[in-house]
Amino acid sequence: AQSVTQPDIHITVSEGASLELRCNYSYGATPYLFWYVQSPGQGLQLLLKYFSGDTLVQGIKGFEAEFKRSQSSFNLRKPSVHWSDAAEYFCAVGAKNAGNMLTFGGGTRLMVKP
Amino acid sequence: KAGVTQTPRYLIKTRGQQVTLSCSPISGHRSVSWYQQTPGQGLQFLFEYFSETQRNKGNFPGRFSGRQFSNSRSEMNVSTLELGDSALYLCASSLGQVLYNEQFFGPGTRLTVL
Repeated sequence: AQSVTQPDIHITVSEGASLELRCNYSYGATPYLFWYVQSPGQGLQLLLKYFSGDTLVQGIKGFEAEFKRSQSSFNLRKPSVHWSDAAEYFCAVGAKNAGNMLTFGGGTRLMVKP
Repeated sequence: KAGVTQTPRYLIKTRGQQVTLSCSPISGHRSVSWYQQTPGQGLQFLFEYFSETQRNKGNFPGRFSGRQFSNSRSEMNVSTLELGDSALYLCASSLGQVLYNEQFFGPGTRLTVL
């Protein structure tokens, strides 16, 4: 069975500082990996996804993530955080032959200090 | 184009009652997935429907059921409500049954069981 761990429940960064959110997954085959963002009262919005190929993927809103198979990680990064980035971030893993089913990590709540 | 619509947005029920939640996918999307989001368990996959057939099911009791209509709209039903069923229920729609197609999430239905 697949699983996702986001070790940091809360992270606070200053506006303009860099950000890295950690994600570790457990899956036997090559995983399909995703990062979603959820603002209060909203559904989830896809930031980026990795299926194969280049291990550094670019997403929306200036986010990027790097797939490291050796570390079973898919960390999300942003070079300069804006106050509007304050939200909850979810890492998710899917499987090739399991339809659209996703397994989500517990989420990381990001707070941005002015 | 219109996004994923979920109705109602908020619902209060008492233990033992049943509830039906509705999800209207983006026009042209044929896959609808449902997720339960709680503070304790996080985001958990309930089931996925494609072309009116349930394709995947998560680890939930039989009190949780769903269906999909010919216009791809989907409903989920929870019978004999328990306090622990209080959650945000999210649905997501996608063009097809493969994760290469982006899933778009609705804003959710907030269910409170008293």
